[in-house]
Amino acid sequence: AQSVTQLDSHVSVSEGTPVLLRCNYSSSYSPSLFWYVQHPNKGLQLLLKYTSAATLVKGINGFEAEFKKSETSFHLTKPSAHMSDAAEYFCVALNNAGNMLTFGGGTRLMVKP
Amino acid sequence: GAVVSQHPSRVICKSGTSVKIECRSLDFQATTMFWYRQFPKQSLMLMATSNEGSKATYEQGVEKDKFLINHASLTLSTLTVTSAHPEDSSFYICSASGLAGGQSYEQYFGPGTRLTVT
Repeated sequence: AQSVTQLDSHVSVSEGTPVLLRCNYSSSYSPSLFWYVQHPNKGLQLLLKYTSAATLVKGINGFEAEFKKSETSFHLTKPSAHMSDAAEYFCVALNNAGNMLTFGGGTRLMVKP
Repeated sequence: GAVVSQHPSRVICKSGTSVKIECRSLDFQATTMFWYRQFPKQSLMLMATSNEGSKATYEQGVEKDKFLINHASLTLSTLTVTSAHPEDSSFYICSASGLAGGQSYEQYFGPGTRLTVT
């Protein structure tokens, strides 16, 4: 069984400052990990994914995440927040069979002007 | 590539009626489709998994007679909420998995359907 924990339900930053959204996973193997963003009343958009290649993964819109096996973490970062980054972010793990996603609880990112 | 659509995007129905939501993979063949439910300010909860031509596999606690899922083709799955009640009001999201653009089997999400039962 695998689980995903997003450590913060809400994160608030000022525009232009760095963003850090934390995610820890629990799994008996190295899962594939994803970050998705969801704007209000919209579906999920893939930001980036880790699939056992490079541990530092670059995604769209300036986001990146680093897979740290020793810490079982996959934190999402961005050097400078933009107002349009305000949304809900989900950290997601894919099981070994490739047929089930496990979602974290989500982190709501608020960006202050 | 790898676009998934849902129809309708929003639907309002009266209590006791049934409503059908369609999920289509537009540019790839979806061997597996997933239906999720999302309550306000919460994460996605998997309701069921369906493989083309097979009966859907429902998660524990999901009533299969209430949430009818049909995956009759490689590009279309439908979710029918039967005898809807206000507590069924929610955001329903589908995803599709298949060999899209030569890439590995990744789940691609639809834009969601907002169901409101009055």
